[in-house]
Parts: sequence; C-alpha cells; structure tokens
Amino acid sequence: DAGVIQSPRHEVTEMGQEVTLRCKPISGHNSLFWYRQTMMRGLELLIYFNNNVPIDDSGMPEDRFSAKMPNASFSTLKIQPSEPRDSAVYFCASSLMQRNTEAFFGQGTRLTVV
Amino acid sequence: QKEVEQNSGPLSVPEGAIASLNCTYSDRGSQSFFWYRQYSGKSPELIMFIYSNGDKEDGRFTAQLNKASQYVSLLIRDSQPSDSATYLCAVSTNKLIFGTGTLLAVQP
Repeated sequence: DAGVIQSPRHEVTEMGQEVTLRCKPISGHNSLFWYRQTMMRGLELLIYFNNNVPIDDSGMPEDRFSAKMPNASFSTLKIQPSEPRDSAVYFCASSLMQRNTEAFFGQGTRLTVV
Repeated sequence: QKEVEQNSGPLSVPEGAIASLNCTYSDRGSQSFFWYRQYSGKSPELIMFIYSNGDKEDGRFTAQLNKASQYVSLLIRDSQPSDSATYLCAVSTNKLIFGTGTLLAVQP
C-alpha cells in the first residue's frame, strides 16, 4: 500500500490567493483527519470525517477554511483567501474507525503564504 | 486547559540512560492513548498505543497509563542518539487530539 498521499508537498502562494490541498487516504480506511502543525501551536486538529461525512469541524480556524470529502478515496482542504498566518505544515491522516487503531499520516504539505 | 498537555522540553539524556516522557489529558472519556515519534521535517509515526491501566512494553519502549490520574507516560530504555526526536502524545475519544510534543535529545 502506498500509504496516505498528499499533494502538493510544497506550496508557495501570495496572500489573497486560493490554496487547495489534496489527500488520498489508505484504501479501506473510513476516518480521515486534517491537521495543521506550527512551532507555536503544535499539531492542531482542523476537521475529521467518518465515512466521508464531516463529524467535527470545530478546529477550522475561520470561514476561509473549508474541507470536503466527496468519496472514500479523496479529500480536499481549501483556504480562500490565504493569509501569511496560514503558513504551516498541513497533514492528512487516515485510520479505521475503531478504538486502538493508529492514524497513518501523509508526508504533509508545507504551505508558505507571502 | 489544553486537552492534552506535555512538557515541551528539550529533554536531554545521555546515551544508554532512561528517557521519561509524560502527558496529561483532560477528557475522562478518553479511550485510547498513543505515542508518536516525529523526526524533524518528517510526519508523525506511531510508536505504541495503550488503552488499559498499567504498563505495556514493546522492546525498549514502555507505555504507562493511569486513568484515575489522567496520566500517560513513555519510558525509553537504553536511549540511543537515533531516538532524538519530538515525541507526541495523542488521546482518542471520537477524535484524535495531540499534545504539543516533547523534544528529546540523546547525547552520545
């Protein structure tokens, strides 16, 4: 299995532009998580899906952030408009929706907004 | 109060010593507990999970859980320089919440 696949690996964009991050979870996993990691705040949960349905988006910082999971094999996180304070590493992770099951992380997308 | 708290460190130990990493959590409904390791510039990877009170051993690693005290720890025996990384504690109810991590430095 290829693991969780994220794209792009690096993204540099100008303030005000729209940014779309993509994630392909591990086949068969039914939970998907989006995290943001910064030095100051650590690894923050933004939103998670079970069976393609958003369950908790309380971590989404503002209305500028949105996430979708149109099917079991694909999810997007969109920021519109982007701001310099959105610069961070964004991780996608997937797991089986059972306790004791680890979440597997993708390689992350390093976003820089200038 | 943060949901999952860890000392940020850095925790510095000499090679061969025992490294002790600690974590507290606020939600008494938490069911599963995980320790992840993250090397600089890489993604987190699972070391161990534990869900019952007591100790769980895996090689040089021992996870300890005390639900009454809402406390989970990770012991690394015979620490090696390759263990130098950030260790993330994660707690699961319906969602997986991470602490900010403890930076461990093992000195040769």
